Amino acid sequence: GQNIDQPTEMTATEGAIVQINCTYQTSGFNGLFWYQQHAGEAPTFLSYNVLDGLEEKGRFSSFLSRSKGYSYLLLKELQMKDSASYLCAVTGAGSYQLTFGKGTKLSVIP
Amino acid sequence: DAGVIQSPRHEVTEMGQEVTLRCKPISGHNSLFWYRQTMMRGLELLIYFNNNVPIDDSGMPEDRFSAKMPNASFSTLKIQPSEPRDSAVYFCASSLGVDQPQHFGDGTRLSIL
Repeated sequence: GQNIDQPTEMTATEGAIVQINCTYQTSGFNGLFWYQQHAGEAPTFLSYNVLDGLEEKGRFSSFLSRSKGYSYLLLKELQMKDSASYLCAVTGAGSYQLTFGKGTKLSVIP
Repeated sequence: DAGVIQSPRHEVTEMGQEVTLRCKPISGHNSLFWYRQTMMRGLELLIYFNNNVPIDDSGMPEDRFSAKMPNASFSTLKIQPSEPRDSAVYFCASSLGVDQPQHFGDGTRLSIL
């Protein structure tokens, strides 16, 4: 089975940097996704990490440590529109299943 | 480019009624997923199709739920009979493969009274 943990809620200030952590325990591991979901909308893809290290994509970066079962999503220069839930999801090795964490609700305040 | 299309967007019905949710995946995507999202349980995978074949339906709650994919461009999720605890947002997603980003439809907001 797979178990994924994320903080339930976070608050950060506009213009600041925020790091959203995700830890996982899996029977097998292939890769880790981050999705963004605005209230009342569908999840949208942000990043996918397979190898250890940092993947940077504009204001968003995602880090993975396979040995530690740990990932984080880093959001820089926060904007009000970044207020959303951020979902961490894991695919198991040789598995087709994508298991989602319950998401971290980020509130960006002025 | 059309994304994943789901219908209806909203459904309100009385318990005991049959509910059918529909999904058109992105053309060329060979993987299709049905999810259910609630506040309590988050986003849960119900069933996964690959090349129109159901690969894993272990997430389907019980026999009241069934899903079909008669061709590459259409899938349905059916609940019969529906119960109030089935109230949730149901998402359909498609992708080019299991390790590829999934594209989600706008979801169906289902309320069973």
